[in-house]
Amino acid sequence: GAGVSQSPSNKVTEKGKDVELRCDPISGHTALYWYRQRLGQGLEFLIYFQGNSAPDKSGLPSDRFSAERTGESVSTLTIQRTQQEDSAVYLCASSLGQGLNTEAFFGQGTRLTVV
Amino acid sequence: AQSVTQPDIHITVSEGASLELRCNYSYGATPYLFWYVQSPGQGLQLLLKYFSGDTLVQGIKGFEAEFKRSQSSFNLRKPSVHWSDAAEYFCAVGAPHGYQKVTFGTGTKLQVIP
Repeated sequence: GAGVSQSPSNKVTEKGKDVELRCDPISGHTALYWYRQRLGQGLEFLIYFQGNSAPDKSGLPSDRFSAERTGESVSTLTIQRTQQEDSAVYLCASSLGQGLNTEAFFGQGTRLTVV
Repeated sequence: AQSVTQPDIHITVSEGASLELRCNYSYGATPYLFWYVQSPGQGLQLLLKYFSGDTLVQGIKGFEAEFKRSQSSFNLRKPSVHWSDAAEYFCAVGAPHGYQKVTFGTGTKLQVIP
């Protein structure tokens, strides 16, 4: 597609349930990022994928959070046993990944509300 | 690894006044530098970027930023702020070589008052 696509755009879930968020990067982009943005706060890095390299998971806040990406395609961010503090907008970005091509393009985000 | 600091969490300026948002980075060489804007309810949009050459770069919406190697800074400026500039602004740094992630600052929220 023309841009980074995230689905769903909004998700309301009950505390304790698992949720799966999806990101379709721009075709050909080898790098993919997940960020979390809590209400009124800045970007919080979660995880970074670059091609077939091992992902940089240094930002994942707990073992309830995990993400997968197959090759250079779709990524899913999974949050298990959701808590109210997980409520946030989850942003995905992709880039061509190297040198002059490190500019990141963002999706519109998934707004997650845990009730 | 590179890092970015945006020392101001919130800034309030009057409409028509000038604006400067600060960004300091840490990187061993000359990095690639970016400013993004996130308007209320919108996604992040690239304002401008610096890769090399002229240290003063022009962006969209009348913004500019100046790369100062001696100060490790890449401050964003606008001569006259409009109410529509109220948004959150993010500075980011990328490495010019190899596959390294872009690192974002925590953002500066700009409020514009009449």
